[in-house]
Amino acid sequence: GESVGLHLPTLSVQEGDNSIINCAYSNSASDYFIWYKQESGKGPQFIIDIRSNMDKRQGQRVTVLLNKTVKHLSLQIAATQPGDSAVYFCADVMTGNQFYFGTGTSLTVIP
Amino acid sequence: KAGVTQTPRYLIKTRGQQVTLSCSPISGHRSVSWYQQTPGQGLQFLFEYFSETQRNKGNFPGRFSGRQFSNSRSEMNVSTLELGDSALYLCASSIAGGSGYEQYFGPGTRLTVT
Repeated sequence: GESVGLHLPTLSVQEGDNSIINCAYSNSASDYFIWYKQESGKGPQFIIDIRSNMDKRQGQRVTVLLNKTVKHLSLQIAATQPGDSAVYFCADVMTGNQFYFGTGTSLTVIP
Repeated sequence: KAGVTQTPRYLIKTRGQQVTLSCSPISGHRSVSWYQQTPGQGLQFLFEYFSETQRNKGNFPGRFSGRQFSNSRSEMNVSTLELGDSALYLCASSIAGGSGYEQYFGPGTRLTVT
């Protein structure tokens, strides 16, 4: 079956530094990837997405990189702020519209 | 525009009982998906409903079922509860579901089975 994993369960960064959260996926048929942020007591919130025909996509302070050769996805957060502290999930969507989520990386921003 | 709402927010049930959870999507959204979130397994897809029809289903036993009403509101039912069903149940709505359509999650229903 599909598996989506994150390389590190926890990540601590200094405020102002850049954060990089990584994710690996297993199915070559995945054609759409999403990063979500989940704060305590809330549901996941969409951050940014990328299609399989792209290598990079930028948003406000966030960049997603997709390496299809090694089935790897990363989320880069520039100038990390305390409000960025949360659990981050990657998800991939295969044909059939099923979303597969990783277990999440908990990001802690140190003031 | 109001977000996705889920009721109840917290629930405590006993093994063997059954439970019904409710989800009201964002107005205009026709797709509702349900997920189970546990610390060890992360978010796992349960099923997706679109226009009152189950369109996709994850790998959960038949004790987990759902339905969607004509106003797009959805309910999820778990029968014969087991301790392992304790989890945060999240629903997400989108305009049409599937890739390319952003999913908006509700705050979840925290179910505890004792």
